[in-house]
Amino acid sequence: AQKVTQAQTEISVVEKEDVTLDCVYETRDTTYYLFWYKQPPSGELVFLIRRNSFDEQNEISGRYSWNFQKSTSSFNFTITASQVVDSAVYFCALTYNYGQNFVFGPGTRLSVLP
Amino acid sequence: KAGVTQTPRYLIKTRGQQVTLSCSPISGHRSVSWYQQTPGQGLQFLFEYFSETQRNKGNFPGRFSGRQFSNSRSEMNVSTLELGDSALYLCASSSGGPTAGYTFGSGTRLTVV
Repeated sequence: AQKVTQAQTEISVVEKEDVTLDCVYETRDTTYYLFWYKQPPSGELVFLIRRNSFDEQNEISGRYSWNFQKSTSSFNFTITASQVVDSAVYFCALTYNYGQNFVFGPGTRLSVLP
Repeated sequence: KAGVTQTPRYLIKTRGQQVTLSCSPISGHRSVSWYQQTPGQGLQFLFEYFSETQRNKGNFPGRFSGRQFSNSRSEMNVSTLELGDSALYLCASSSGGPTAGYTFGSGTRLTVV
């Protein structure tokens, strides 16, 4: 069975601090896809990043960076120099098939204080 | 281009009634999936349609059903509503396949009283 764990329920930081959101996943599939989504108060899920199981290259995109490590089944997400607008619930998700069958983690609520 | 549109945004229904929610995907997207979000269970997959065919289904009772039309618009129906069905129902559209991008709508918030 597939499972996604986000151990951090809530995180509060002060603006301009760096923050890392943890994600640990479980799957027996050799091919799978990992995602991070952001859910602001408006409700829609905003796509941030996708990685497949064959691409462990970590990347930086503006203030966002990702650390994918298959050896520890982790897919962590870091926001550098956080801003108030980053306040949202962040979800890590896993899928393996063409059915869009995402398995979501429970989410981490990030509050960035001014 | 227009995003994923879900209607209505808010809905209040009484226990025992049925409800139909609508999702219009991004133009050209043939895959539509539905998720239920509750504080207790989080985000859970309901079902996914591709070219009018249900391709995958989550672990929900038969009261939850859906369909997709030839223009890719999708509806989901919940019959005999229970209090526990109160949730945010999110729809996502995609061109298809896990490597494609997925775009979510803002959801329909259903309250069952």
